Amino acid sequence: DARVTQTPRHKVTEMGQEVTMRCQPILGHNTVFWYRQTMMQGLELLAYFRNRAPLDDSGMPKDRFSAEMPDATLATLKIQPSEPRDSAVYFCASGLGVGAGETQYFGPGTRLLVL
Amino acid sequence: GQQVMQIPQYQHVQEGEDFTTYCNSSTTLSNIQWYKQRPGGHPVFLIQLVKSGEVKKQKRLTFQFGEAKKNSSLHITATQTTDVGTYFCAYQRGGADGLTFGKGTHLIIQP
Repeated sequence: DARVTQTPRHKVTEMGQEVTMRCQPILGHNTVFWYRQTMMQGLELLAYFRNRAPLDDSGMPKDRFSAEMPDATLATLKIQPSEPRDSAVYFCASGLGVGAGETQYFGPGTRLLVL
Repeated sequence: GQQVMQIPQYQHVQEGEDFTTYCNSSTTLSNIQWYKQRPGGHPVFLIQLVKSGEVKKQKRLTFQFGEAKKNSSLHITATQTTDVGTYFCAYQRGGADGLTFGKGTHLIIQP
């Protein structure tokens, strides 16, 4: 049963520290999405990649957030320096890259708490 | 920017009662997707609607896309405790693949 995996599942850190979240998309999926979920804002798209190339990162705060795909099996989302307002659940999702209307498969999420 | 409004925000039902959540947009949508998120879980894809007036069924779940492609609904018949969770509608802006989600409807079932 193919699944998107994310590590760590939980992260507690102090303000100012660097946080790196990792995602392994489903094998064969060439599109990877990063979403953030908070009570106030709901689910928001941060960035996404196709064939490892960034297509849209307009939802991501540029000054402290960065997203990369070092290879086809790994996507990373980094926050440096972290702030309390970054506390949220960060979901990675992957898809087959067929464009409009494709199903997205979500990972279990990384629950981040910045103190 | 374009948004979808979901109502109600919360819905309490007795087990066995029906449940409906609505998703409304001010502009025409190319397609709409529905996801379910269990408490503490992650969004799970349920269905995609593309055609005007489309109706799709999955067991006790019925999904509709309005004629003008500006609204959609999810109806659950005879709710069960396993239906507990938050139901989100989502759409893609223009040619972008990333999803824009509604705020979701939290379904709470009282046994």
